[in-house]
Amino acid sequence: EPEVTQTPSHQVTQMGQEVILRCVPISNHLYFYWYRQILGQKVEFLVSFYNNEISEKSEIFDDQFSVERPDGSNFTLKIRSTKLEDSAMYFCASSEAAPFTEAFFGQGTRLTVV
Amino acid sequence: TQLLEQSPQFLSIQEGENLTVYCNSSSVFSSLQWYRQEPGEGPVLLVTVVTGGEVKKLKRLTFQFGDARKDSSLHITAAQPGDTGLYLCAVSASNDYKLSFGAGTTVTVRA
Repeated sequence: EPEVTQTPSHQVTQMGQEVILRCVPISNHLYFYWYRQILGQKVEFLVSFYNNEISEKSEIFDDQFSVERPDGSNFTLKIRSTKLEDSAMYFCASSEAAPFTEAFFGQGTRLTVV
Repeated sequence: TQLLEQSPQFLSIQEGENLTVYCNSSSVFSSLQWYRQEPGEGPVLLVTVVTGGEVKKLKRLTFQFGDARKDSSLHITAAQPGDTGLYLCAVSASNDYKLSFGAGTTVTVRA
């Protein structure tokens, strides 16, 4: 069964460092998303991406964040200068169409900023 | 932003019992999805409901979408320990490219 895969599963980084989280969405999907979940809190939307551009982004997705689909298969989230409060599970998701279609989530990357 | 209220926050039951969890909002939804999430993993889609009054069944799970498309319920019959997890509802508006999640109901089924 097709699935969304994310790497790494766990990343520890020092405050102020850049991190890149990687995702391979389901191959025939056209819409891609990043969500995050701080421990014990809700799953929060960060950004959606379609046709090589951002469709929508939340207030969380400030200038420190960027997304890219460099090679037609990978979908990356970059955090330029990590802060302690960026520590969270980051989930990539993809859907065949949008809006309000079924989104399939990856297993997540646990980011720990120390 | 659509505010989703999920209740109860926690639910602990014995194997074999039934349970119902709820997802409510003051807004009308274009569609609603139920996910199940286990610790340290991503949400796994269970079902999507789009029509007011719709009822969908997935083995022992029954999902209902309210007539006014503002609320939904998930009923589990004869719960098993494998049903343990965080049950999340999520919605999107007709012009949205995002899902808004509720805080979830943590279900624990004791053997």
